[in-house]
Amino acid sequence: DSGVTQTPKHLITATGQRVTLRCSPRSGDLSVYWYQQSLDQGLQFLIQYYNGEERAKGNILERFSAQQFPDLHSELNLSSLELGDSALYFCASSPDSNPWETQYFGPGTRLLVL
Amino acid sequence: AQSVTQPDIHITVSEGASLELRCNYSYGATPYLFWYVQSPGQGLQLLLKYFSGDTLVQGIKGFEAEFKRSQSSFNLRKPSVHWSDAAEYFCAVSGNTGKLIFGQGTTLQVKP
Repeated sequence: DSGVTQTPKHLITATGQRVTLRCSPRSGDLSVYWYQQSLDQGLQFLIQYYNGEERAKGNILERFSAQQFPDLHSELNLSSLELGDSALYFCASSPDSNPWETQYFGPGTRLLVL
Repeated sequence: AQSVTQPDIHITVSEGASLELRCNYSYGATPYLFWYVQSPGQGLQLLLKYFSGDTLVQGIKGFEAEFKRSQSSFNLRKPSVHWSDAAEYFCAVSGNTGKLIFGQGTTLQVKP
């Protein structure tokens, strides 16, 4: 158990819909990272938050947004969903935002868009 | 641009045999390198990482990796593979904010 929790575990929805994925980082960790894992794109970094502020952005679509709340949990919002958004979405956390730090991954949320 | 290449998509080894998974990276500055393992239906677990010092890094579950700057490589090794090592292995390099850039992954199958 990494100490990072993600809800829900599975999500099935229809095209055009909007969903929210939730992540609670390890106690004390200030950085939260979101990654998408799909068969065609592999594991890709989406976005990073550090202590409530956006720190880095990767290949995140404009239809996707995220935020980190004062209690440090984070939410990833996916809207106008398309079939190609079906993927496993991971959240990871680390104590700070240094490149040598270990990131601890949650179990992921599996999203299926029908 | 930073990138990671894992040349082998799929590897099969016999139980008890040695293992080497290849990883090549492209990064302008001092690289911070990681190996993660993903078992079916699970999240990613860190096996080991390199950020400075000794170029031979020891990790969990009997794994080790060697950083070779001249070859831009960070290959993962294990002297004797167990059936429970069957999983997908990811090499990653860390950007300056900590975001990870992953390779495509290598799936390890272990034959009894």
